[in-house]
Amino acid sequence: QKEVEQNSGPLSVPEGAIASLNCTYSDRGSQSFFWYRQYSGKSPELIMSIYSNGDKEDGRFTAQLNKASQYVSLLIRDSQPSDSATYLCAVPPDSNYQLIWGAGTKLIIKP
Amino acid sequence: NAGVTQTPKFQVLKTGQSMTLQCAQDMNHNSMYWYRQDPGMGLRLIYYSASEGTTDKGEVPNGYNVSRLNKREFSLRLESAAPSQTSVYFCASSEAYETQYFGPGTRLLVL
Repeated sequence: QKEVEQNSGPLSVPEGAIASLNCTYSDRGSQSFFWYRQYSGKSPELIMSIYSNGDKEDGRFTAQLNKASQYVSLLIRDSQPSDSATYLCAVPPDSNYQLIWGAGTKLIIKP
Repeated sequence: NAGVTQTPKFQVLKTGQSMTLQCAQDMNHNSMYWYRQDPGMGLRLIYYSASEGTTDKGEVPNGYNVSRLNKREFSLRLESAAPSQTSVYFCASSEAYETQYFGPGTRLLVL
């Protein structure tokens, strides 16, 4: 059974600090990794994708991938109250059009 | 450009009743998906359609059927609703499996 694991939280971070969200996956063959954000009562939306080992930056967001450790993380710099949401990690196990989803980490940014 | 639309937004059913959830996308995507999301759990794939004319079971297909009516529309049917099917249902579409675009969701309560 291929799995994606996330700490459910909630993770509480002061406004302006760095929020660090982590995800581990079981399938060593996975080649791409996705972070979605879901506000309460809303649908998920893609915020970052990463395909290669190392860091990928997009504004205040940085995705970090370590395939050897089967670990992907999302850093949010200068956290804002509007970043309060559940962050979902998703990994395609192979090329059959599916994504395996983690249960999500609830992030709370305290003003 | 509406993206992915779902109807209805809310529904209350009695055990044993049937209903169809409708989904349509206007992004000309080949692939469409039906998920359910329960509290504390990630998205679980019910069925997906990689392209018009094809459908495949996901992780939790029991109690559901789907129809890919055309490239735009993908419906989900509950033939005999059970309380265990109380959930939030999301439809999504994508050109490839990576960036999935979600509809607003249908909140279903089965009494």
